[in-house]
Amino acid sequence: RKEVEQDPGPFNVPEGATVAFNCTYSNSASQSFFWYRQDCRKEPKLLMSVYSSGNEDGRFTAQLNRASQYISLLIRDSKLSDSATYLCAVNMDTGGFKTIFGAGTRLFVKA
Amino acid sequence: AAGVIQSPRHLIKEKRETATLKCYPIPRHDTVYWYQQGPGQDPQFLISFYEKMQSDKGSIPDRFSAQQFSDYHSELNMSSLELGDSALYFCASSLRGTGFHEQFFGPGTRLTVL
Repeated sequence: RKEVEQDPGPFNVPEGATVAFNCTYSNSASQSFFWYRQDCRKEPKLLMSVYSSGNEDGRFTAQLNRASQYISLLIRDSKLSDSATYLCAVNMDTGGFKTIFGAGTRLFVKA
Repeated sequence: AAGVIQSPRHLIKEKRETATLKCYPIPRHDTVYWYQQGPGQDPQFLISFYEKMQSDKGSIPDRFSAQQFSDYHSELNMSSLELGDSALYFCASSLRGTGFHEQFFGPGTRLTVL
């Protein structure tokens, strides 16, 4: 089993739709959690850090459930420009710093 | 705002050659990470450095080595290149003191091994 698993994609949604991505992690020592967005052949860009209490940034809402070891990302009112691959990332403080990424979920938003 | 700088952006090498990739972190960031991303794959963590010391190691082949210098820039040295080393190599940096260690990625070096 992979340490970080995401919903298999792709997700195809119309503009204006609400879409949710889920990500589970296996290491309970995981300490911090992130969502990144990656456009084709570009670098991952930090979208949101995920706080224990959940957090919102405009149309984006992130949630963390430590008991069930999953994080989620909700995108409301999808725009064409939201089309990208969404990667969840988990930091483990192993004495050093190690980050494990999920395989990513591809989102296509259609007009 | 200053971002992570990587050089070169593109590199073409022959099998069994060596390559050196460079990374200049965001000013005042103290931690550098290297990732390898093959086509259609997620970024695979290779190695990280904190304050010029190796911090953690991932799936970095023995043929690869890396270091962080006194000015905090880092280099990834790759020897005996294989066709399977063709990938995008990302460097990221973070500031440890923030607690979250949010990483900011450079634009990547695209390595092609022929």
